[in-house]
Amino acid sequence: KNEVEQSPQNLTAQEGEFITINCSYSVGISALHWLQQHPGGGIVSLFMLSSGKKKHGRLIATINIQEKHSSLHITASHPRDSAVYICAVRSGNQFYFGTGTSLTVIP
Amino acid sequence: NAGVTQTPKFRVLKTGQSMTLLCAQDMNHEYMYWYRQDPGMGLRLIHYSVGEGTTAKGEVPDGYNVSRLKKQNFLLGLESAAPSQTSVYFCASRRPEGGYTFGSGTRLTVV
Repeated sequence: KNEVEQSPQNLTAQEGEFITINCSYSVGISALHWLQQHPGGGIVSLFMLSSGKKKHGRLIATINIQEKHSSLHITASHPRDSAVYICAVRSGNQFYFGTGTSLTVIP
Repeated sequence: NAGVTQTPKFRVLKTGQSMTLLCAQDMNHEYMYWYRQDPGMGLRLIHYSVGEGTTAKGEVPDGYNVSRLKKQNFLLGLESAAPSQTSVYFCASRRPEGGYTFGSGTRLTVV
């Protein structure tokens, strides 16, 4: 059983669509991270959340601690958003990663 | 440029060979991590370090050793490579405010 589950695993969207990626976790956490991995392999840290909501450009991340759930939203999606989005949680000194959501945005 | 640098980027090893992967960061971060990424399994923590001279085991430490003799460098060693260690390896350091900076990865193939 994975401590972190993401859905969907794969997502294809038309340019301009609003996108939501979900993350559920089963452990107590001190922080949740959203990461972006581009086809070349590089990983970029997008957000770190411990409560509430954060926004950066067209990206919005929310977390509900009681429900152990987080969402990553992309507004006005663009082909350059095509990447794998990874949810990760920190629980004590342990880190647990989701298997990622592969997003393809078609022009 | 500030960041995390991994060397080498690619390597092919024969079973039983040894090698060391180097991770260097110039941001004076205390915490550093080595992960492996395998298809369908996500990132898994191999070892981590909370400061110079300290290391700790992560989720999948077997077959790997690490050293953090200098704060800026975190080395991952494979003493006797096995095909099961074929993977992409990522190093990361943690910023004081909690976010992470990742290296560009090392693609290792063990034949």
